[in-house]
Amino acid sequence: RKEVEQDPGPFNVPEGATVAFNCTYSNSASQSFFWYRQDCRKEPKLLMSVYSSGNEDGRFTAQLNRASQYISLLIRDSKLSDSATYLCVVHHSGYSTLTFGKGTMLLVSP
Amino acid sequence: GAGVSQSPSNKVTEKGKDVELRCDPISGHTALYWYRQSLGQGLEFLIYFQGNSAPDKSGLPSDRFSAERTGGSVSTLTIQRTQQEDSAVYLCASSASLGGFEQYFGPGTRLTVT
Repeated sequence: RKEVEQDPGPFNVPEGATVAFNCTYSNSASQSFFWYRQDCRKEPKLLMSVYSSGNEDGRFTAQLNRASQYISLLIRDSKLSDSATYLCVVHHSGYSTLTFGKGTMLLVSP
Repeated sequence: GAGVSQSPSNKVTEKGKDVELRCDPISGHTALYWYRQSLGQGLEFLIYFQGNSAPDKSGLPSDRFSAERTGGSVSTLTIQRTQQEDSAVYLCASSASLGGFEQYFGPGTRLTVT
């Protein structure tokens, strides 16, 4: 079983739509969770951390469900500029670095 | 301020040659990571440096891969006797401290082995 699993997509949505991605992780000792964004042929950039209580940053909302070991990202009022690959990222104790999912591709069309 | 820089941005090499990839982290960042990303694949961790501690080399795929970090700053990833399966984008990231999970990535080096 892969450590971090995501639906690769692509998710094709029109501008203004709401779209949600889920991610599951296998290691119950995982402690910290993040969403990174990667544009085509660019490096990943941190989008937001995911807190246990859930957190919101503008149009983006992240949720964590430790019992079911999944993380979600909700994007409201999608913009063309949201088109990218969204990487689910997990850190668990005993590891010195992050574990990245393969990403979910989002394509927002006019 | 300056971000993470990497050089070269692109490298084409013949199978069997050695290559060196360079990473210059953000000034003051103590942690430095190397990853590689093959087409359509996720990021694969290679090696991690933290301050003066021994590096975590657990992700290096073979003994043809090595890395060093001089003076706690610039890092060089060396691939000896390159193979076609080494073709990928090699990404370097740095973070402020151990547990500083906000990693800042460089633009990567696209390596093509012919």
